[in-house]
Amino acid sequence: AQTVTQSQPEMSVQEAETVTLSCTYDTSESNYYLFWYKQPPSRQMILVIRQEAYKQQNATENRFSVNFQKAAKSFSLKISDSQLGDTAMYFCAFMKKYGGSQGNLIFGKGTKLSVKP
Amino acid sequence: DADVTQTPRNRITKTGKRIMLECSQTKGHDRMYWYRQDPGLGLRLIYYSFDVKDINKGEISDGYSVSRQAQAKFSLSLESAIPNQTALYFCATSDPWTAQETQYFGPGTRLLVL
Repeated sequence: AQTVTQSQPEMSVQEAETVTLSCTYDTSESNYYLFWYKQPPSRQMILVIRQEAYKQQNATENRFSVNFQKAAKSFSLKISDSQLGDTAMYFCAFMKKYGGSQGNLIFGKGTKLSVKP
Repeated sequence: DADVTQTPRNRITKTGKRIMLECSQTKGHDRMYWYRQDPGLGLRLIYYSFDVKDINKGEISDGYSVSRQAQAKFSLSLESAIPNQTALYFCATSDPWTAQETQYFGPGTRLLVL
């Protein structure tokens, strides 16, 4: 079974600075997707960034980028130029691409990020 | 209008009552999911449906049932609610052909079972 671990329950960062959130996962699959979702106080789950395992290039979305290390099974999220609106819970998630349970997201327990003015 | 809607947004019920949470989507996705979120535990999958005739149990299906009334509608029922079903419930949709496996979530339903 797949597992996702986020080892930092809480983090804080000053506005305009850079912060990195950690995520590791355990799987025997070779084809899969990895996601970061953001959950602000409004509780809405919002997709931040997505990575396909077969792609070696790290995904980027504006101020958000990932460091995907497939061999190490690591998928960290870097937020540059942090903004007050980035304050939220961040969840790392794994999805098999093929076979049983394909399409089901496995979530980590989340990291609560606070951006301070 | 939101692409994925959930009703109600908040619900208080008593132990033993039957309740239904509803999810509707206008994204045209075939796949729909129900998740539960508890503090400190992230989201866990309850049930999922890849089309109207295909419904599958997830990680924590005991005490729950679902109905896929149409492509756009997926309901979650608690047959006899108990206090440990107090949680935040999310519906999600996906389409592997156009959305590349990305799941899009509704706004959530906060359920309190007394």
